[in-house]
Amino acid sequence: AQTVTQSQPEMSVQEAETVTLSCTYDTSESDYYLFWYKQPPSRQMILVIRQEAYKQQNATENRFSVNFQKAAKSFSLKISDSQLGDAAMYFCAYSQGGSEKLVFGKGTKLTVNP
Amino acid sequence: NAGVTQTPKFQVLKTGQSMTLQCAQDMNHNSMYWYRQDPGMGLRLIYYSASEGTTDKGEVPNGYNVSRLNKREFSLRLESAAPSQTSVYFCASNWGGAGTEAFFGQGTRLTVV
Repeated sequence: AQTVTQSQPEMSVQEAETVTLSCTYDTSESDYYLFWYKQPPSRQMILVIRQEAYKQQNATENRFSVNFQKAAKSFSLKISDSQLGDAAMYFCAYSQGGSEKLVFGKGTKLTVNP
Repeated sequence: NAGVTQTPKFQVLKTGQSMTLQCAQDMNHNSMYWYRQDPGMGLRLIYYSASEGTTDKGEVPNGYNVSRLNKREFSLRLESAAPSQTSVYFCASNWGGAGTEAFFGQGTRLTVV
């Protein structure tokens, strides 16, 4: 079974600084997708960014970007110019090609200090 | 746009009681899911439905039943609640197929005493 590991239960960053959240995954498949979801205190899960495994180019969405290292099975999230509104739980998730199911990591709680 | 709507948002049950969590989506999505979120455990899949009329077990299905009533609605039933089922429950939906964005409801916080 595929597993997703987030090794940092908590992280903190100063406002306007950059922070990187780590994620590794275990799969023997070649066709899959990776996601980062954000869960603010409101509990609402929000998609931050998505990466297709077949794409070599790292995905970016405004201040959010990923470092996708396929051989190392690593998928880290970089948040640039951190804002107070970025404070949340961040979940890394995996979806195998041909399957609808999302497998989540245990999450990283990000605190943004003013 | 309502998106994914879950009811209720909060519930307290006594051990052994039963209840049904309701979920409805208005995005015409094919697939729907139920997850539970526990501290330090992330989200774990309970059941999912790839299309109307089909349901499949996820990672933690024991103690739960589901019904895909129609394309819009997917309910989760606890027949005899146990304290171990205290959790936050999330319903989600998407078009189906790998790689599609999942849209989540706001969750139901369930406490079993």
